[in-house]
Amino acid sequence: AQRVTQPEKLLSVFKGAPVELKCNYSYSGSPELFWYVQYSRQRLQLLLRHISRESIKGFTADLNKGETSFHLKKPFAQEEDSAMYYCALRYNFNKFYFGSGTKLNVKP
Amino acid sequence: EPEVTQTPSHQVTQMGQEVILRCVPISNHLYFYWYRQILGQKVEFLVSFYNNEISEKSEIFDDQFSVERPDGSNFTLKIRSTKLEDSAMYFCASQSSGGYQETQYFGPGTRLLVL
Repeated sequence: AQRVTQPEKLLSVFKGAPVELKCNYSYSGSPELFWYVQYSRQRLQLLLRHISRESIKGFTADLNKGETSFHLKKPFAQEEDSAMYYCALRYNFNKFYFGSGTKLNVKP
Repeated sequence: EPEVTQTPSHQVTQMGQEVILRCVPISNHLYFYWYRQILGQKVEFLVSFYNNEISEKSEIFDDQFSVERPDGSNFTLKIRSTKLEDSAMYFCASQSSGGYQETQYFGPGTRLLVL
């Protein structure tokens, strides 16, 4: 069965430190993976998708099919990165499975 | 920039009552979704809708739930007889096409409280 696991509920780092938010998935088909972010009092918004291999706000994520992972990384965290981050899997035709989310807290 | 809107922002209802949550997706989008998030828990997929019919639904989306696109602009979620455990934040989302890795745009959510 499909599943997305984000093992850390809370991740606290200091400004300027590297950040890695972990995401592991379980899906027998070809995965479509996304990272969504929710800043305080704002709506969920797309941050990254695996196909684009782009860097948004300094974040990158690489799909590793061997390890079934899609970890989100940023080399130098900023205070404005503090938010909830959700990893999501799209499967079947149009169903989605969201991970439980990781709250990133970047301390000054 | 166009946005998905949802009304009301908050709704309080009595157990057993019917509620209708409304969403206006981004115009020219073709795929629509409802999610819910119980306080402190993860975002859960409820249903996806395309071409005036449900394309996928989760186990949560039982006979108490229904969706409709009554007039070409609104997209509604109806809960027929609310239960206490339906208390949650409900998010609507829309997407321009069903293409690979298309972006979903989320609304701000409706917070439903069932007493």
